[in-house]
Amino acid sequence: DGGITQSPKYLFRKEGQNVTLSCEQNLNHDAMYWYRQDPGQGLRLIYYSQIVNDFQKGDIAEGYSVSREKKESFPLTVTSAQKNPTAFYLCASSITGSRETQYFGPGTRLLVL
Amino acid sequence: DAKTTQPNSMESNEEEPVHLPCNHSTISGTDYIHWYRQLPSQGPEYVIHGLTSNVNNRMASLAIAEDRKSSTLILHRATLRDAAVYYCILRGGSNYKLTFGKGTLLTVNP
Repeated sequence: DGGITQSPKYLFRKEGQNVTLSCEQNLNHDAMYWYRQDPGQGLRLIYYSQIVNDFQKGDIAEGYSVSREKKESFPLTVTSAQKNPTAFYLCASSITGSRETQYFGPGTRLLVL
Repeated sequence: DAKTTQPNSMESNEEEPVHLPCNHSTISGTDYIHWYRQLPSQGPEYVIHGLTSNVNNRMASLAIAEDRKSSTLILHRATLRDAAVYYCILRGGSNYKLTFGKGTLLTVNP
């Protein structure tokens, strides 16, 4: 079945630690996105990539980094510079970058110990 | 980005139709109206989208006002699995991102 997978489902981060969230898609989509969702809030865009080896900052990129070495993979690293990382992280993809329907993964919940 | 306004919450009974409203008075001529929904602890799911004409798919119908300043998502027969937060989103031009507001929390009573 085609879709988007995110792992792990839950992730715990210690103070000063970098953690990486995985996002993989087998939909052959060019564009991929990372969003953050805080309790009771809508989604906010962290980074997006419209093509392999290229990515752009979204609205809240500080404290995060990404890479796009393969079309199907778009991992997100939450660095120690992100002071409030506790949130629900959602990865999405679309055929191309503009106006296309975005398909979301199941999400990763990040908690700080 | 043009803004949308939705009620914070709505309630429905199972098997009854549900009409979820969305106001978007500053919509531009090239903005598409998209609806997504998010079940608890899951990623958002695409529901439907349209530009000017009413649209139907297997999940729902979208009714768009003639002046396009408002739209209504219609679930013809609500089920318990339709309980979710519903988001109305405008997308235009080369808009790559989805701008989610707080949406409408739909509760479906058995």
